[in-house]
Amino acid sequence: GENVEQHPSTLSVQEGDSAVIKCTYSDSASNYFPWYKQELGKRPQLIIDIRSNVGEKKDQRIAVTLNKTAKHFSLHITETQPEDSAVYFCAALGGTGGGADGLTFGKGTHLIIQP
Amino acid sequence: ETGVTQTPRHLVMGMTNKKSLKCEQHLGHNAMYWYKQSAKKPLELMFVYSLEERVENNSVPSRFSPECPNSSHLFLHLHTLQPEDSALYLCASSPQARSGYTFGSGTRLTVV
Repeated sequence: GENVEQHPSTLSVQEGDSAVIKCTYSDSASNYFPWYKQELGKRPQLIIDIRSNVGEKKDQRIAVTLNKTAKHFSLHITETQPEDSAVYFCAALGGTGGGADGLTFGKGTHLIIQP
Repeated sequence: ETGVTQTPRHLVMGMTNKKSLKCEQHLGHNAMYWYKQSAKKPLELMFVYSLEERVENNSVPSRFSPECPNSSHLFLHLHTLQPEDSALYLCASSPQARSGYTFGSGTRLTVV
């Protein structure tokens, strides 16, 4: 099955700086890669996703890049703000097809924005 | 609310009890999922239902028993749980297989 590794486990950046979180996956057939943000005591929320036919996707201060050859994808947050503090999870969906598949998640990155 | 509602929000149960977790979605989604979230571990997929049919089990212990009576409702029946089963249980739904999830708020389960 799919295996997703996520680094770092904790990331502390100064407000206004950029943050980068990296994930690798094992199943070369995986073709859907979402990112979720989970604030303390709240549900995970989808913030951006990318499919394997695209190399990069942006949404305001958030961007995701995908390198299919190397099997890794990254989340980039620019001009970080205090409200960006949360745990971020990457995930991958296997490409086996046929019926429903479940997302495999990374262990999460605790992003801390220092004022 | 995101359209995925889980009840109860908190549950404390003894190891000999039987309880059920409920998940309801009003988004018209066709797939529903149960995940377990423990401290310092990734979200663990437990069960997947697509169009009310279970398609993945992931070797979950038999003390967890899912039920999906229709495309809007999903249950997780619990019996003779262990303390290590204490965790946040999250339900999610998606419009179809292979697309982004909407999560519920979760049920915080404590087994004593």
